[in-house]
Amino acid sequence: DAGVIQSPRHEVTEMGQEVTLRCKPISGHDYLFWYRQTMMRGLELLIYFNNNVPIDDSGMPEDRFSAKMPNASFSTLKIQPSEPRDSAVYFCASSFLAAPRGYTFGSGTRLTVV
Amino acid sequence: DQQVKQNSPSLSVQEGRISILNCDYTNSMFDYFLWYKKYPAEGPTFLISISSIKDKNEDGRFTVFLNKSAKHLSLHIVPSQPGDSAVYFCAASVGTGTASKLTFGTGTRLQVTL
Repeated sequence: DAGVIQSPRHEVTEMGQEVTLRCKPISGHDYLFWYRQTMMRGLELLIYFNNNVPIDDSGMPEDRFSAKMPNASFSTLKIQPSEPRDSAVYFCASSFLAAPRGYTFGSGTRLTVV
Repeated sequence: DQQVKQNSPSLSVQEGRISILNCDYTNSMFDYFLWYKKYPAEGPTFLISISSIKDKNEDGRFTVFLNKSAKHLSLHIVPSQPGDSAVYFCAASVGTGTASKLTFGTGTRLQVTL
């Protein structure tokens, strides 16, 4: 298995532009998580899905953030409009229900908003 | 409010010596704890976990200790090796064996020197 695949690896965009981050989870995993890593707050959970349905989006910082999971093999995290304070590394992770060892993370997308 | 805290942002240890990474939590409902290791430009990977019914779990050079009364856990690495240089995240959840939400700390950067 190729693991959790995220794209792009790096994204530099201007303030006000729309940004879309993509994630392909591991086949057979029915949970998908979006995390954001910053120096101040570490890894913060933004939203997670179970069987493609959003379960908890309480971590989404503002209405500018939205996430979708149209099918079991693809998810997107969109920021519109982007702001400099959104600059961070965004991780996608997937897991299956009986996973005592936690999640499998992707390599992340480093977002820089200038 | 940071429910999982890693108060040491960085730690430097000589090769062959013991590395001790600390983590404190505030939510008494947490009953499952994990440590993740993260190399630059990669996603975090699972290292070791412990359930609240135990106070120690060992896996090779890595041992995690849990002190429930103090709401404190620590990761011991003995002996430390240069390849252990990475960022270590402590994480906690309510519930074991499921993909329930993991709450992460801010991480501790470990540098193992020659």
